[in-house]
Amino acid sequence: GESVGLHLPTLSVQEGDNSIINCAYSNSASDYFIWYKQESGKGPQFIIDIRSNMDKRQGQRVTVLLNKTVKHLSLQIAATQPGDSAVYFCAENNRGSTLGRLYFGRGTQLTVWP
Amino acid sequence: ETGVTQTPRHLVMGMTNKKSLKCEQHLGHNAMYWYKQSAKKPLELMFVYSLEERVENNSVPSRFSPECPNSSHLFLHLHTLQPEDSALYLCASSQTPRGSGLGSPLHFGNGTRLTVT
Repeated sequence: GESVGLHLPTLSVQEGDNSIINCAYSNSASDYFIWYKQESGKGPQFIIDIRSNMDKRQGQRVTVLLNKTVKHLSLQIAATQPGDSAVYFCAENNRGSTLGRLYFGRGTQLTVWP
Repeated sequence: ETGVTQTPRHLVMGMTNKKSLKCEQHLGHNAMYWYKQSAKKPLELMFVYSLEERVENNSVPSRFSPECPNSSHLFLHLHTLQPEDSALYLCASSQTPRGSGLGSPLHFGNGTRLTVT
């Protein structure tokens, strides 16, 4: 089966600092990766995605890095704000997955202190 | 507003009840999903409806029964549930191309918090 995991279950940062959330995957056939943010009482919210033909992709204050050699994915949040406090999930997909099945990690709880 | 609306937001039911969860997507997507989110576990895919085809996770008990009357609406019918079925049930949609993996990210609703007593 698929295995998507996170190195740390919790991360605490000071407001204004940069945050880095890591994710490891085991399926070398994975070709599409997504980061989600889930706030309390809400469903997962799409943040950014990246395909396996890229190493880096940037969004607004967020950057995703993909290292296919070591099967590692990271999400970098610049100038972290209290509103960034949430659980962050990585998810992966591959073309062999049945009808676009996504495999999720367990999540990292990010807490931002003022 | 996420574009995916789930009702009810909260549901408490006894083990002998029958209830249904409803999901509607306003994004024009062609695939809809039910996921289960339990504490300290990864999100678990239950069912997928895509391009008029249904795919099930074989580990989902038969007391969960999905229905997808069209590409915008999805239901999850519940009957004789167990306390361990208490969880957050999330609906999602995506635009899925034919014959390949995921074409775009899943968009989730805010879920139905189900408690089975």
